[in-house]
Amino acid sequence: GQQLNQSPQSMFIQEGEDVSMNCTSSSIFNTWLWYKQDPGEGPVLLIALYKAGELTSNGRLTAQFGITRKDSFLNISASIPSDVGIYFCAGLFTGNMLTFGGGTRLMVKP
Amino acid sequence: EAGVAQSPRYKIIEKRQSVAFWCNPISGHATLYWYQQILGQGPKLLIQFQNNGVVDDSQLPKDRFSAERLKGVDSTLKIQPAKLEDSAVYLCASSLEYPQGWGTGELFFGEGSRLTVL
Repeated sequence: GQQLNQSPQSMFIQEGEDVSMNCTSSSIFNTWLWYKQDPGEGPVLLIALYKAGELTSNGRLTAQFGITRKDSFLNISASIPSDVGIYFCAGLFTGNMLTFGGGTRLMVKP
Repeated sequence: EAGVAQSPRYKIIEKRQSVAFWCNPISGHATLYWYQQILGQGPKLLIQFQNNGVVDDSQLPKDRFSAERLKGVDSTLKIQPAKLEDSAVYLCASSLEYPQGWGTGELFFGEGSRLTVL
């Protein structure tokens, strides 16, 4: 089946630093999404991207849909302690089957 | 607006026992999903319903897992008999049906039901 590879697997940064993470696949997708999961909670949608090359922002978060449709990245600027959590990319090709990556665990040191 | 409701939040059982999880989606959401999330991994789709019909259950271990969505609203996921490797968080999610019948990937998740099999 389709697999999404996220990197890095974990990051430990200082508050105020910028963060960058990405997601790659051997398959193409029509939609890329980024979710965040806090401990003991379900994932929450952060950003959805629907067109190759699209760059979308949501506050301090910026995500891009790769031109090849096989990758996406997420940037977080000026990180704060509440950014701590696990960030998942997810891809959708056809129909409704959403595939998730393995996640990037972000830890922020105040 | 009420979110996706799941119960129980936690369940501990012995292997070979059975367990059932319940989910109530957001009102008006036609599509309902059950995902399995093993510790340290991303969610994996088990089954997807559109109203009360199954859209995809290709990754559901049908010898031990079953799910139903009666009347196109609430859903239950059952495991019988449970194995040690079934220890995971079971996430229920729902979404609106896109007018053209294509999903947008914009899912709303519940808090999950954490299963521990001893």
